[in-house]
Amino acid sequence: NAGVTQTPKFQVLKTGQSMTLQCAQDMNHNSMYWYRQDPGMGLRLIYYSASEGTTDKGEVPNGYNVSRLNKREFSLRLESAAPSQTSVYFCASTSATNYGYTFGSGTRLTVV
Amino acid sequence: AQSVSQHNHHVILSEAASLELGCNYSYGGTVNLFWYVQYPGQHLQLLLKYFSGDPLVKGIKGFEAEFIKSKFSFNLRKPSVQWSDTAEYFCAVKDPGGYQKVTFGTGTKLQVIP
Repeated sequence: NAGVTQTPKFQVLKTGQSMTLQCAQDMNHNSMYWYRQDPGMGLRLIYYSASEGTTDKGEVPNGYNVSRLNKREFSLRLESAAPSQTSVYFCASTSATNYGYTFGSGTRLTVV
Repeated sequence: AQSVSQHNHHVILSEAASLELGCNYSYGGTVNLFWYVQYPGQHLQLLLKYFSGDPLVKGIKGFEAEFIKSKFSFNLRKPSVQWSDTAEYFCAVKDPGGYQKVTFGTGTKLQVIP
């Protein structure tokens, strides 16, 4: 099925551990995004990639890094996880002419 | 920076009641506006969007939204809700300047009681 695929769906980390969240889309979209969702705070943009080869910081980039590996894939890395990074992470994509995101199913991350 | 306000954090309605969820945005120029829905345990899905033209936009599942430029508002409506509409609803506005960046509101949780 066409769409945005995120892995893993669930993850528990200890403080200080690192991990990479994977995201891939098969819709030939140019732009990809990483958001975090926290209760009462809506979705906040962490990083985005307007096109292959470019990445930019969003609203809450501290503690994260990203890689736009190719047009399909956009990964999010936590170098040293902190409890404040406990959240649900969503990847999204859009084409240049289709003004609306397609979201992945999310990764529920708990940092203990 | 663009901002989006959703006034109601939690709305409880009985089935068949009418729904209106408020959304206000801050940018005064040309805007692109969206409503997304997130059913329990699922990801966000696009409900409807406004770019230009008719300020009354119709979306999926009987939802509609009205863009009122003078009020900086984009309220979501449905004449008669169903239990299956229980979800969280997010208003969003595309940031001016390109790159498809979108700012989301904090969401409104709708609970429909059978």
